[in-house]
Amino acid sequence: DTGVSQDPRHKITKRGQNVTFRCDPISEHNRLYWYRQTLGQGPEFLTYFQNEAQLEKSRLLSDRFSAERPKGSFSTLEIQRTEQGDSAMYLCASSPSSVGWQPQHFGDGTRLSIL
Amino acid sequence: SQQGEEDPQALSIQEGENATMNCSYKTSINNLQWYRQNSGRGLVHLILIRSNEREKHSGRLRVTLDTSKKSSSLLITASRAADTASYFCATVAAGGSQGNLIFGKGTKLSVKP
Repeated sequence: DTGVSQDPRHKITKRGQNVTFRCDPISEHNRLYWYRQTLGQGPEFLTYFQNEAQLEKSRLLSDRFSAERPKGSFSTLEIQRTEQGDSAMYLCASSPSSVGWQPQHFGDGTRLSIL
Repeated sequence: SQQGEEDPQALSIQEGENATMNCSYKTSINNLQWYRQNSGRGLVHLILIRSNEREKHSGRLRVTLDTSKKSSSLLITASRAADTASYFCATVAAGGSQGNLIFGKGTKLSVKP
């Protein structure tokens, strides 16, 4: 399967702990996006990368959230000092960078539960 | 923040019937896209319609766009049980970056066999 891969699929942690999620995009896609989705809502955009450059990060929810894509391939999203309100599905998507608008291809997400 | 509002929030129909979902948005857009999400899974892109287009077809899907009313509709004809999913519209703001897709809250479609 050459789709977008996210790891882990589920993460349960205690409030105050740090968590890190990984996303492996489709190999030829150089754009990578992170979204958060809470129950009954649509995905909420967080940040995106073009290769290793983070082009938009103003939507990250707080300074506890950070994302990296060091070599322009996989990406990580870290949440420090987790809070109850961070419980959500975290989705990653990728798309090629080409002329015109391209659909985003989503992974199946990481579901985070904060105890 | 959410840009779009889908209507209805939930829709239940029998297999073979048509399903129509509507989406309204607030700002000028470059394009509007529809995505499907099966329970516990990621989103799958269905169709994209540009701001200068009024109607687009793809298989059993028909999308319309009315920029004067800032609204779009998705019609699924001859529905199947496998169409059961949540459907979201997403917009790219005019002049916005391709990264900034803004999703609505979705319509939950249930197709009964």
